Amino acid sequence: DAMVIQNPRYQVTQFGKPVTLSCSQTLNHNVMYWYQQKSSQAPKLLFHYYDKDFNNEADTPDNFQSRRPNTSFCFLDIRSPGLGDTAMYLCATSRDLGLGQPQHFGDGTRLSIL
Amino acid sequence: DAKTTQPNSMESNEEEPVHLPCNHSTISGTDYIHWYRQLPSQGPEYVIHGLTSNVNNRMASLAIAEDRKSSTLILHRATLRDAAVYYCILRDQNYGQNFVFGPGTRLSVLP
Repeated sequence: DAMVIQNPRYQVTQFGKPVTLSCSQTLNHNVMYWYQQKSSQAPKLLFHYYDKDFNNEADTPDNFQSRRPNTSFCFLDIRSPGLGDTAMYLCATSRDLGLGQPQHFGDGTRLSIL
Repeated sequence: DAKTTQPNSMESNEEEPVHLPCNHSTISGTDYIHWYRQLPSQGPEYVIHGLTSNVNNRMASLAIAEDRKSSTLILHRATLRDAAVYYCILRDQNYGQNFVFGPGTRLSVLP
């Protein structure tokens, strides 16, 4: 049973055209994360929500924003995508921020900017 | 900035044990050691984690050195499905309690 679901799996958009990626979870976890993973690189954390509290990583570009309207859903908005934003975007959840808490990942959305 | 070092790649034969090493010489007393793996075209998958003692679960075993400066993920019998990138991650309070992935070890399993 899928627990962290990302839609769509593949997304192609034009340079500069806003795009929204979606993530939903059935785990009722408090924390939701967004990662960016470029080709042949490790995932890099963009930001996370603990409940409704938003936490941005210091080096996340302003072009990237997020919304979490309720516990189950979280969105990644890219306002004006550039060619360098082509990547896999991964959503993850954890029950809380405890150091021993594992994260549960979705299978990602592969985003291509043309 | 990753605080762990792992070999870039390793090879194993099918049905043989695999020992994946990780060095974390700057580990602090409250850091948890997490292991994840990522199969092609999938998101990372939790494997195991520990603090001080060795840990076992249905997927793998985690052996933690007595000084905690290194650890080893043990797959008891490698299968073709275990071919993946394996990430060793320290989770600590100094990084906002979030994960910093290093480059990981790409494990190839030969039939």
